[in-house]
Amino acid sequence: DTGVSQNPRHKITKRGQNVTFRCDPISEHNRLYWYRQTLGQGPEFLTYFQNEAQLEKSRLLSDRFSAERPKGSFSTLEIQRTEQGDSAMYLCASSFRAGDTGELFFGEGSRLTVL
Amino acid sequence: AQSVTQLGSHVSVSEGALVLLRCNYSSSVPPYLFWYVQYPNQGLQLLLKYTTGATLVKGINGFEAEFKKSETSFHLTKPSAHMSDAAEYFCAVCLYNQGGKLIFGQGTELSVKP
Repeated sequence: DTGVSQNPRHKITKRGQNVTFRCDPISEHNRLYWYRQTLGQGPEFLTYFQNEAQLEKSRLLSDRFSAERPKGSFSTLEIQRTEQGDSAMYLCASSFRAGDTGELFFGEGSRLTVL
Repeated sequence: AQSVTQLGSHVSVSEGALVLLRCNYSSSVPPYLFWYVQYPNQGLQLLLKYTTGATLVKGINGFEAEFKKSETSFHLTKPSAHMSDAAEYFCAVCLYNQGGKLIFGQGTELSVKP
């Protein structure tokens, strides 16, 4: 399968714990995006990378959130000291920069439940 | 700042009936426009997109959408609904030279009755 892969697909954690999600983009894609989706809402942009550089971060990305893409391939999204409000689906997407047409390829998401 | 409004969080149609999902956008310049579909517990899949050129665009599964600049709309249609069309549909906009970032609407859940 050459699509966008996200792990784990589901994570249940207790409030205050740290969690980390991993995203493996399509191999030739140099852009990688993280989105958050809560029930009944559309995906909300969190951050994006071009190669290893993090080029934009949303105000939704509080200090407890950090994303990395160290070698310009896979990316991780870490949430420290989780809160119940962090419960959501975290979506990763990738694209190949071709005229900035915005066609993103999404993974199946990582669902976080904070108890 | 650009934004997307989808009219109707839930639309229900009978199998074989016309599907019409509404999307309006707000942008200071003509954006690129997209429709994505999301099936339960899955990621988003591109249905169709408008970048430049012909304003009526055709996508997968028999869906099409028309870009109307004067109405700032990009409504999604399908002449005849199928049970397998039941899903969540998202309209999104992207501005050129903004890193390919998509701004999504809140989504419309489509139900198809037999």
